[in-house]
Amino acid sequence: EVQLLESGGGLIQPGGSLRLSCAASGFTFSSYAMSWVRQAPGKGLEWVSTITAGGGSTFYADSAKGRFSISRDNSKSALFLEVDSLRAEDTALYYCAKGGWRPAGGFDPWGQGTLVTVSS
Amino acid sequence: QSALTQPRSVSGSPGQSVTISCTGTSNDVGGYNYVSWYQQYPGKAPKFMIYDVTKRVSGVPDRFSGSKSGNTASLTISGLQADDEADYFCCSYAGSDTFWVFGGGTRLTVL
Repeated sequence: EVQLLESGGGLIQPGGSLRLSCAASGFTFSSYAMSWVRQAPGKGLEWVSTITAGGGSTFYADSAKGRFSISRDNSKSALFLEVDSLRAEDTALYYCAKGGWRPAGGFDPWGQGTLVTVSS
Repeated sequence: QSALTQPRSVSGSPGQSVTISCTGTSNDVGGYNYVSWYQQYPGKAPKFMIYDVTKRVSGVPDRFSGSKSGNTASLTISGLQADDEADYFCCSYAGSDTFWVFGGGTRLTVL
């Protein structure tokens, strides 16, 4: 069974930084692109970033460019998102999801998410 | 404000059909046949349901169907059942600069 388990969220002051992690299992992690998608409380979904299977290419939403950095460790089946200069509007549940590089298909599956709350 | 526009809510009685619309532009929904739909129960992760506009994910009942006309994609659920009550989100590929855009989500209530 494919499983994705996020961690690393928490309460952080504006301007602070966090490193989110996603542990993957049940599939050949190194063969798939991976993505982060976030959902602000009571709001819709927002694509944040995608990294290709080998990690050679990364893509970011405008809201994440310059502040967020996606990376992966294929030897550990792990995905990461470094989030810097956090703002109140970054408060959201951050999901990792398999896929997102090829236009065809979609994001499947999703983890349960890790909550990031930016507040003083 | 989400890039794709969905109605905030729709409702229907058991056995009826409902359609959820997802309106974008020629830069996303209208420009590519890469619309996907996700079902989300409260407090749960989204579940992948439909991809490439019309293709059902394995295991998704054929009561769920997707379509597209111009800049608007639609998810139709026929033979409504109580456990269809959930939030539904659309997503579209938007080119190599923007990549992915989502809708704001639609709450389906089964009366």
